[in-house]
Amino acid sequence: SQKIEQNSEALNIQEGKTATLTCNYTNYSPAYLQWYRQDPGRGPVFLLLIRENEKEKRKERLKVTFDTTLKQSLFHITASQPADSATYLCAVNDYKLSFGAGTTVTVRA
Amino acid sequence: SAVISQKPSRDICQRGTSLTIQCQVDSQVTMMFWYRQQPGQSLTLIATANQGSEATYESGFVIDKFPISRPNLTFSTLTVSNMSPEDSSIYLCSVEEGIGAGGYTFGSGTRLTVV
Repeated sequence: SQKIEQNSEALNIQEGKTATLTCNYTNYSPAYLQWYRQDPGRGPVFLLLIRENEKEKRKERLKVTFDTTLKQSLFHITASQPADSATYLCAVNDYKLSFGAGTTVTVRA
Repeated sequence: SAVISQKPSRDICQRGTSLTIQCQVDSQVTMMFWYRQQPGQSLTLIATANQGSEATYESGFVIDKFPISRPNLTFSTLTVSNMSPEDSSIYLCSVEEGIGAGGYTFGSGTRLTVV
């Protein structure tokens, strides 16, 4: 099954800046890749899905890219706000949904 | 999107006992998924629960330890049996929102502590 690797270190950024998170997978390119947000003590919340034939997807201040050559997805939070502070999970769908360990983002006011 | 009610939200249990976690979905779904999230780690799929058939377990998880019921298309339970401190985790249920379209919806999780 896929091995999913995300930024291992937490990301601390100033309000208003752009946070960029990385997700790398090891095997064949999945049909689609997903990003989730998880707050402490809560279940993950679905944010965006991008298909392998899509280069980029946007939703409000969020942007996701998918590079099948690099086997990588980038997740951007533009104009970040303290309310964006959370752990962000990348997930790949083989026959099951496999998650990365997540990157914790803290946005300072 | 689907709404999932999961309970209990948390529990502290004695080792050797069992805990049953319930998930109720507000719509009919074919498959329900059970995950475990150990402290500081990501989600690991335990099993897939299909209505009318045995659950499908992932490598490292067995039915005797994690029996699952799926009596209808809106409800499932996961039991953590003969618990040890290593079973202390968050357990989550999930459903898929349309194949390849809308991601997965998760319950709020059950935080289990075994003492």
